[in-house]
Amino acid sequence: EAGVVQSPRYKIIEKKQPVAFWCNPISGHNTLYWYRQNLGQGPELLIRYENEEAVDDSQLPKDRFSAERLKGVDSTLKIQPAELGDSAVYLCASSFGGGSTDTQYFGPGTRLTVL
Amino acid sequence: GNSVTQMEGPVTLSEEAFLTINCTYTATGYPSLFWYVQYPGEGLQLLLKATKADDKGSNKGFEATYRKETTSFHLEKGSVQVSDSAVYFCALHFGNEKLTFGTGTRLTIIP
Repeated sequence: EAGVVQSPRYKIIEKKQPVAFWCNPISGHNTLYWYRQNLGQGPELLIRYENEEAVDDSQLPKDRFSAERLKGVDSTLKIQPAELGDSAVYLCASSFGGGSTDTQYFGPGTRLTVL
Repeated sequence: GNSVTQMEGPVTLSEEAFLTINCTYTATGYPSLFWYVQYPGEGLQLLLKATKADDKGSNKGFEATYRKETTSFHLEKGSVQVSDSAVYFCALHFGNEKLTFGTGTRLTIIP
């Protein structure tokens, strides 16, 4: 069974430029998450989707970040414009359900460098 | 709020040594507890989990027991290998709230 797929794996951009990350979750997983992992830290949740609905976006900086999950499958996370502090690894995860006993499966991440 | 405190790294051990990575948590209720591992250049992988008090999670020779009395979920392995070198994250998940991670512990095993 294929795992969570993310692209690109690496992205280098200059500040003020836009950038987008794509995620394809494990087939059948209704819940999709986007996390940001700063160097030397654990991942922190940005947004959680249940099917097409964003049920928790309280940690998403909405002035520059946006996300969508059309048709309740693939998802895109966008930053516009990027700032130096956005340099991090952006992780996508999926799970069958959103409960505390549901295991989240992570993709390899996209490492973003903002110059 | 919920939080996880992990043993700070980095940790360096010789092959076949005994490993303990400490993890304690603070939560408003009784969360599920997880250990994730991140190998170099890869995403996080679930190593083991426990969903209620006194449960023991185990996988690949690693074990951790959910201790409600001490609010702990320490990771142990009896004999580590070079291939165990990675970053280990303790995490908790309570109810409908977010998965909360510790800061990670980098483990290096030398031959």
